[in-house]
Amino acid sequence: GQQLNQSPQSMFIQEGEDVSMNCTSSSIFNTWLWYKQDPGEGPVLLIALYKAGELTSNGRLTAQFGITRKDSFLNISASIPSDVGIYFCAGPRGSGGGADGLTFGKGTHLIIQP
Amino acid sequence: DGGITQSPKYLFRKEGQNVTLSCEQNLNHDAMYWYRQDPGQGLRLIYYSQIVNDFQKGDIAEGYSVSREKKESFPLTVTSAQKNPTAFYLCASSMNRRETQYFGPGTRLLVL
Repeated sequence: GQQLNQSPQSMFIQEGEDVSMNCTSSSIFNTWLWYKQDPGEGPVLLIALYKAGELTSNGRLTAQFGITRKDSFLNISASIPSDVGIYFCAGPRGSGGGADGLTFGKGTHLIIQP
Repeated sequence: DGGITQSPKYLFRKEGQNVTLSCEQNLNHDAMYWYRQDPGQGLRLIYYSQIVNDFQKGDIAEGYSVSREKKESFPLTVTSAQKNPTAFYLCASSMNRRETQYFGPGTRLLVL
């Protein structure tokens, strides 16, 4: 099946720094999704990308759909303590789009040092 | 408020026991999903349902069963055949054939 590789696995940064993380796929995706998960909670959708080359922002978050359609990037500007959590990329699991479920990366764990 | 609810938040299972996790949504979504999350791992799909009275196996369906008798509800049973049931279980829903899925708060299952 499709595999998503996220990097880095974890990041230790200072408050106020910018953050960059990425996700690569073994196959072409038509949609990229980015989720954030707080400890003990369900993932929350941050950004959805539907077109190669697309750049979409949500507040301090910006995500891009790679032009090869095999990668995606998430940037967080001026990090704050509430940005702590695990960030997951996801894409459609099958050829039927999201109806067949999503496949997830293993996540990037963001830790902010005061 | 519209959303997805899962209950209970924590569940304990004894050896050889079946347990059922509840998932309810009032978003009027057609499709519902169950995922399993292990520490340090991404989410893996157990079962999904695109319409009432129909469901399909995901990538790790062995030892689990589901039903979809109502649009709003998609309960998951962890059977005694699931030898490693300790995990965080997440339910999600989406409008039919849309990739964007919305998740419930999760149920943590522990084996005694």
